[in-house]
Amino acid sequence: NAGVTQTPKFRILKIGQSMTLQCTQDMNHNYMYWYRQDPGMGLKLIYYSVGAGITDKGEVPNGYNVSRSTTEDFPLRLELAAPSQTSVYFCASSFTGGIGYTFGSGTRLTVV
Amino acid sequence: QQPVQSPQAVILREGEDAVINCSSSKALYSVHWYRQKHGEAPVFLMILLKGGEQKGHEKISASFNEKKQQSSLYLTASQLSYSGTYFCGTEGSPSGGGADGLTFGKGTHLIIQP
Repeated sequence: NAGVTQTPKFRILKIGQSMTLQCTQDMNHNYMYWYRQDPGMGLKLIYYSVGAGITDKGEVPNGYNVSRSTTEDFPLRLELAAPSQTSVYFCASSFTGGIGYTFGSGTRLTVV
Repeated sequence: QQPVQSPQAVILREGEDAVINCSSSKALYSVHWYRQKHGEAPVFLMILLKGGEQKGHEKISASFNEKKQQSSLYLTASQLSYSGTYFCGTEGSPSGGGADGLTFGKGTHLIIQP
């Protein structure tokens, strides 16, 4: 099993450009999440989904959008990239029942 | 609200013990613990649910005091492989698996020296 797969691993964007960060999981997890991690700040929740067709905002959703058309995929869209969106982005998934999150390997995004 | 972790950093010699604390100002239903090595993704260690239980994972264990809204992670006889940043993630609603998303602390940097 691949677990949670994120692409790309690295990306440099110019201010105002847009891009989609891809996230796919093959564990049949219902719950999926997008977090951003900035140095010394921990992980901040951007968006989450409890199943296909259902998404909800987390703590820091501004400037981002998501969709969940299938159980496996949970892409994160950045519109009009800004330097404040320079960060490492992690996708994660989980079951209920307390077995914790499985994280992808992350996407390091730089906006210049 | 973001839980507060302490200490922010700790340096140990191999074989020494460490305690990492996680406190919240909100009522908690569950606490997750993760370890992240530099440049890698966080890795799940354990989850503690409301009920004040204690869990163990190799030489790493944790407790959860729901009345004090605190959790502590205990690392005994530390090994070089324990180095990394430890994060607690808290959940205030009773979904039990962090379904609505966890709120993570800022992390505790643990350095184990030979």
